[in-house]
Amino acid sequence: EVQLVESGGGLVLPGGSLRLSCAASGFTFTNYWMSWVRQSPGKGLEWLANIKRDGSEQYYVDSLRGRFTISRDNAKNAVFLQLNSLRAEDTAVYYCARGIGIYTIYFDSWGQGTLVTVSS
Amino acid sequence: DIQMTQSPSTLSASVGDRVTITCRASQSISTWLAWYQQKPGKAPKLLIYEASSLESGIPSRFSGSGSGTEFTLTISSLQPDDFATYYCQQYHYYYSFGQGTKLEIK
Repeated sequence: EVQLVESGGGLVLPGGSLRLSCAASGFTFTNYWMSWVRQSPGKGLEWLANIKRDGSEQYYVDSLRGRFTISRDNAKNAVFLQLNSLRAEDTAVYYCARGIGIYTIYFDSWGQGTLVTVSS
Repeated sequence: DIQMTQSPSTLSASVGDRVTITCRASQSISTWLAWYQQKPGKAPKLLIYEASSLESGIPSRFSGSGSGTEFTLTISSLQPDDFATYYCQQYHYYYSFGQGTKLEIK
C-alpha cells in the first residue's frame, strides 16, 4: 500500500523557517517524481514544487520567488520542503504527492497533510 | 498561467441522481486534466486522469470527458459516499486547480 506521511508543520513567526518532511513507503520511490501542494481557505489548492526521480531537476510555482526549496533523499525514501521567509499567507495544509505520467505528471497519491500556521 | 473554472460552485442532489460538474480551462490543455474528490479533513483522492481515464479502484459510476478547454465529470447514480468536494486540475503546463464544487445532499 502506498503511504505518504508528512511531518514538520507547526506554528511559526512571520519571517521564520520550517522544514517539512514526507516519508514514503509501499512503492519504489526512485521511480516517481514527488511534489508539494498546499491548501488554504483563501487560495484553494496550489501546486508548489516538483522534483525529478533522481533529484536532478526541480520546478517551482513562480510566486514562491525562491523562498521554498524542494529536495529528496532516495536512500531514505523521503522528500522535503524547506520554507523560508514565511508570511501569514503561507498558512495552509501542506501535502506531499506522488507524481505519475510519461509526458507530464499528475498526482495519484497524497499524504494526509501537515498544517503550517504563520502568526505572531 | 492557465486558469481553471468549475461550475457550479455548489450542487445539491439526492442519492440516485445523475450529476455533472463542468471545468473550463483558459486555454487548450488537450486532455491533460485530472479530477479529485476531497472529504473534510482528508487529502484529495484521484478519480480521473487524462480527462477520461478511471483511476484504479474508483467505481465505474464516475466518468470524465472533454478535451481542449471544456471538461465534465459525471456521477451516474449518486451514492451516500459521494457527497464531497470535487476539483479539476490541469497538468498541461505546470499545474492549476479549479476552485472546487461542493456536492451536498438535497
